[in-house]
Amino acid sequence: IVLTQSPGTLSLSPGERATLSCRASRSVETYLAWYQQKPGQAPRPLIYGASNRATGIPDRFSGSGSGADFTLTISRLQPEDFAVYYCQQYSTSPWTFGQGTKVEI
Amino acid sequence: QLQLQESGPGLVQPSETLSLTCSVSGDSITSSSYYWGWIRQPPGKGLEWIGSMSYSGTTYYNPSLRSRITISVDASKNHFSLKLSSVTAADTAFYYCARRNEVVTIRYFDSWGQGTLVTVSS
Repeated sequence: IVLTQSPGTLSLSPGERATLSCRASRSVETYLAWYQQKPGQAPRPLIYGASNRATGIPDRFSGSGSGADFTLTISRLQPEDFAVYYCQQYSTSPWTFGQGTKVEI
Repeated sequence: QLQLQESGPGLVQPSETLSLTCSVSGDSITSSSYYWGWIRQPPGKGLEWIGSMSYSGTTYYNPSLRSRITISVDASKNHFSLKLSSVTAADTAFYYCARRNEVVTIRYFDSWGQGTLVTVSS
């Protein structure tokens, strides 16, 4: 299953709302996760099951969607939110990732 | 708190076998609820799942790498390992070990090691 993320880069300011998209080549139901990766760090899980926040994730992060179209929303960008975001499907092996969206200042 | 830590050579010769180990602390690798696996990321590029294995021996491998991969679990040392044979420069990447739940609805990668860079070069 191929995951296509858009846009490739999102240029925003702190306090603004970020909307990231992930589209699957076929339905993954709600078996979709989102991860945040900062330079030099491992990915950190944000969202699983399309809309459930992982442990310790602040509520400014929210996920939505089902089937083949998904959205990650960051309601008010904080300085620490500028990073690369990946979606990943766990509906069907091989588990696959999107190519990433970079959120930059 | 679960911690995963990769270890292994940072430089591997072309055509040789890449070998990495992931040490697990804060949980037992014999837990029946989890799969233990590997994900890699070429510098500046995206993520690629390599494979996963449960303690009971059930394995899932990425078909694109299946012929070259072996993942094993060592309960006595509470660690698991990756072997990738016949490496080329295309295998140069950060290698992450990660855990995922076996329950279908939550089988995302919930814990990650910090990653280790492996360079394939003569």
